[in-house]
Parts: sequence; C-alpha cells; structure tokens
Amino acid sequence: DGGITQSPKYLFRKEGQNVTLSCEQNLNHDAMYWYRQDPGQGLRLIYYSQIVNDFQKGDIAEGYSVSREKKESFPLTVTSAQKNPTAFYLCASSIVGVGEQFFGPGTRLTVL
Amino acid sequence: GENVEQHPSTLSVQEGDSAVIKCTYSDSASNYFPWYKQELGKGPQLIIDIRSNVGEKKDQRIAVTLNKTAKHFSLHITETQPEDSAVYFCAASRGNTGNQFYFGTGTSLTVIP
Repeated sequence: DGGITQSPKYLFRKEGQNVTLSCEQNLNHDAMYWYRQDPGQGLRLIYYSQIVNDFQKGDIAEGYSVSREKKESFPLTVTSAQKNPTAFYLCASSIVGVGEQFFGPGTRLTVL
Repeated sequence: GENVEQHPSTLSVQEGDSAVIKCTYSDSASNYFPWYKQELGKGPQLIIDIRSNVGEKKDQRIAVTLNKTAKHFSLHITETQPEDSAVYFCAASRGNTGNQFYFGTGTSLTVIP
C-alpha cells in the first residue's frame, strides 16, 4: 500500500528532553511537510521540504528542527527550546506544484 | 497577515439534512482550495478541491462553490449520514504556490441519527 506512516502514534517525554518524530512516505513525493495541530486551531506549518537536503521554516519553526537526507523520510525533532510541545503532529507529502497534500495518521506528543 | 476564516466552528444536523460550511480568504493570489475531513485521532483526508478557474464542483453528495470576487468558498454536504460526522477543514493556497496552505480552524460536524 502506498502512503505515509508516522511513528509512534503516542509519545510521552519528560520536560527538557529532545524527541524525534518519524515520517516516512512511499508515494515518491518530492515535497514533505510538518504541521502542528492544537485543539480548536487549524493546522500550523512547522517546516517543509521540496527536495532532498533542503528545507525551509514554516510559521512556527522555533524550537523544532528537521532533516531531509532521503526522499522518503522527513523526521522532526522537538527540542527542549520548544516552550509548549504537547500537541498532535501531522506529516504530509505532495508532488511539487500540485495542490493536494496527503497526510499521515499523526503522532500525539505529551510532555510531562 | 493573510489567513482563512471558517464558520461555524460546530454544526449539528439531523440525518438526511444538508450541511454548509463557509470560508473566507484574504490572499487574492490564492488559486487552489481543498477541503479536508478529519476523523478523531486520524490525519486529514482530502474530500474535494476546487481551482480558481471553476465556480462549482460536485462529487456525489459533496459540492464546493467558489466566489473569487468575494473571496468566499463553501462546502455543501447533502443527505447527511452519521459517518459524515467529523471535523472539516478548509484551506487556501498561499499565493499561487499550490503547495502551501492557509488552513481554517475547522468545523466539527455532528450528524444526529
């Protein structure tokens, strides 16, 4: 099956620890994205990448970092600098220049 | 800054009735408008989209209308069913990039059997 996978589904971390969320796609898409979703809010763009080894900050990049070493993978690290990291994180991918984005199932991160 | 406003935030309808969700956008260069459905604990899924050169698009019980002059677009669901219950998000492309969106804040639709 083609699609996007995110792991784990639920993640718990202690305050002050860095944590990395996984995102893998086998849709052969060049573009990948990370969004944060909080209750009652729309999706907010954290980072995006349109090609391997290149990525750009979105609207709320502070406290986050990414890498894009392979076309299929776009991991997101939530650092200890992120002031309010508890949220639902969504990864998406698309063909560059075409509108539709395909979303993964999400990872719910809770920082204790 | 540029954004998308979505109304209502919650909507309850009786099974079989119609549901309408409305969005307005501010970026005059937006040219692609997708609608996503998100079920609890899952990622959003595209249900219908429309490009700026079209005023209306229909897919079975779902339709989207676009008024570029007024910068309004709406989702219409007819003959609603309990499985339509979910959160619906509208979005508008940022400029003419097609790949980055402004998202609305979501509408929680409940269809009462």
